[in-house]
Amino acid sequence: AQSVTQLGSHVSVSEGALVLLRCNYSSSVPPYLFWYVQYPNQGLQLLLKYTSAATLVKGINGFEAEFKKSETSFHLTKPSAHMSDAAEYFCAVSESGVVRNAGNMLTFGGGTRLMVKP
Amino acid sequence: DVKVTQSSRYLVKRTGEKVFLECVQDMDHENMFWYRQDPGLGLRLIYFSYDVKMKEKGDIPEGYSVSREKKERFSLILESASTNQTSMYLCASSPPGLNSPLHFGNGTRLTVT
Repeated sequence: AQSVTQLGSHVSVSEGALVLLRCNYSSSVPPYLFWYVQYPNQGLQLLLKYTSAATLVKGINGFEAEFKKSETSFHLTKPSAHMSDAAEYFCAVSESGVVRNAGNMLTFGGGTRLMVKP
Repeated sequence: DVKVTQSSRYLVKRTGEKVFLECVQDMDHENMFWYRQDPGLGLRLIYFSYDVKMKEKGDIPEGYSVSREKKERFSLILESASTNQTSMYLCASSPPGLNSPLHFGNGTRLTVT
């Protein structure tokens, strides 16, 4: 069974500092990996996804993530935090090769709330 | 843009009531999902549907049922609401395919007293 671990339920950075949100997964087969962001009082929006085309994936709002198979990690980074980045971030995994009635069954991590200090 | 609309933003119900949460999507997506979001637990899948009248249990289906009579509409039903079902409920839709991203509604915050 697949699982996702996000280290740190809360991360606080200063505006302009590097953002690093950690995600480790366990999967018996090569996975598809996603990062979603949830702003207050909203649903989740897709930030980026890894689908095996390239290990470094660029997303919206200046975020990127690197797939490292040897470390089973998919950490999210942004060089310079902005106040508007304050939100909750979720990592999710979908196992390739597991087709369950054509549904993309995502397993989500517990989420990391990012706080940005002025 | 894909739009997933959940009929209620906030709901307050009493223990034992039958509760309906409604979700409508406007992009003709085959797949629709109901997730429950709780602090520290992330999102957990309750049920999903891959076609009209077709459904499959997710990780936590106990106490819930679903209905999909039309492609665009997916309803979550709490047959007899209990306090441990107080939570944020998120509906999502997607086209088929394991790398297809989910499109989420804004959520319904349900409180059962």
